[in-house]
Amino acid sequence: DGGITQSPKYLFRKEGQNVTLSCEQNLNHDAMYWYRQDPGQGLRLIYYSQIVNDFQKGDIAEGYSVSREKKESFPLTVTSAQKNPTAFYLCASRYSGTKKETQYFGPGTRLLVL
Amino acid sequence: RKEVEQDPGPFNVPEGATVAFNCTYSNSASQSFFWYRQDCRKEPKLLMSVYSSGNEDGRFTAQLNRASQYISLLIRDSKLSDSATYLCVVTNYGGSQGNLIFGKGTKLSVKP
Repeated sequence: DGGITQSPKYLFRKEGQNVTLSCEQNLNHDAMYWYRQDPGQGLRLIYYSQIVNDFQKGDIAEGYSVSREKKESFPLTVTSAQKNPTAFYLCASRYSGTKKETQYFGPGTRLLVL
Repeated sequence: RKEVEQDPGPFNVPEGATVAFNCTYSNSASQSFFWYRQDCRKEPKLLMSVYSSGNEDGRFTAQLNRASQYISLLIRDSKLSDSATYLCVVTNYGGSQGNLIFGKGTKLSVKP
């Protein structure tokens, strides 16, 4: 089955700890995105990547880092510098061959701070 | 002014009702428009694209008014399974290369 997978489904972070959220897609999509969703809020863009080995900051990149070493994978690290990391994290991908193509989402990871 | 604004909701309607959601966007350069559906504690899923001429998919009808920067979604004969949060989404492909701008969503609850 083609799709986007995220792991883990739930993640607990201790104070001062860095944690990495996984996002993998086998849709052969070029572009990948990370969003954060807080209760009652819209999705906010953290980072995005249009091609391998290149990525750009979104609206709320502080305290996060990413890498794009493979087309299929776009992991997100939540660093200790992110003071309020509790949220629902969503990864998305998009085929950028046409401008009309929209984004498709993985099932998300819920991050909780202990 | 927020980039994408939606009716705050929640909308509580009986089965079989017709319900309409409205959305306005602030950037006149916005090029593509979508409605996504998000179930509780799940990821958003594409419901339908919105075309300039309006489009229909079964019980769902989407309309776009570029002059007023207004998007709507109409659901006819609502079902219990339509209960979800509906997200209005726009994108400006020229500047941000496919980045989506999301409204906060309108929650719909369909009751028996």
